[in-house]
Amino acid sequence: EVQLLESGGGLVQPGGSLRLSCAASGFTFSSYAMSWVRQAPGKGPEWVSGISGSDSSTNYADSVKGRFTISGDNSKNTMYLQMNSLRAEDTAVYYCAKGWVYFDNWGQGTLVTVSS
Amino acid sequence: EIVLTQSPGTLSLSPGERASLSCRASQSVSSRYLAWYQQKPGQAPRLLIYGASSRATGIPDRFSGSGSGTDFTLTISRLEPEDFAVYYCQQYGSSPWTFGQGTKVEIK
Repeated sequence: EVQLLESGGGLVQPGGSLRLSCAASGFTFSSYAMSWVRQAPGKGPEWVSGISGSDSSTNYADSVKGRFTISGDNSKNTMYLQMNSLRAEDTAVYYCAKGWVYFDNWGQGTLVTVSS
Repeated sequence: EIVLTQSPGTLSLSPGERASLSCRASQSVSSRYLAWYQQKPGQAPRLLIYGASSRATGIPDRFSGSGSGTDFTLTISRLEPEDFAVYYCQQYGSSPWTFGQGTKVEIK
């Protein structure tokens, strides 16, 4: 059974940083692309970033490009999202999801709140 | 980027009825690269349909997807109590991948 467990969310001031983690199990992590998708309160989901399983190539939404960095550690079956220069509009539940273009398994999410 | 507009915003139906949810794209979605998700309160989205009409693993056959180009439809043939939820479409034909704003299916 595929399991994805996010951690690292919390309250941070504007301009601050956070690193999210996603621990994966139940599948061969290195063989699959993984993504981060966020959902602001009362809104639809928004794709944030993806990393391929084959060559670790990455892709970012324009809204986070230059501020967020996605990475993966195949030895730990874990994906990360380093978030810098956080803004109020980054406030959302951040989901880890399996897939590059569509997402067939999701974690339970971790809440990131950017506020002073 | 491709903007997806879902309609109606809310659909009020009774169990056993048929539901038809629309997703319209601001430009053609290449190769029918469209997915549908279901989300219940406090839960993550769940993949229902990909490739416009292919059901994901474990999804009941009362869920079906159709359409091409700019117009897509999710149909639930007979609503079960567990189907009352919010549904989102998502296109992956052109980066950035984008989602619609959702259709809520509520009990009438």
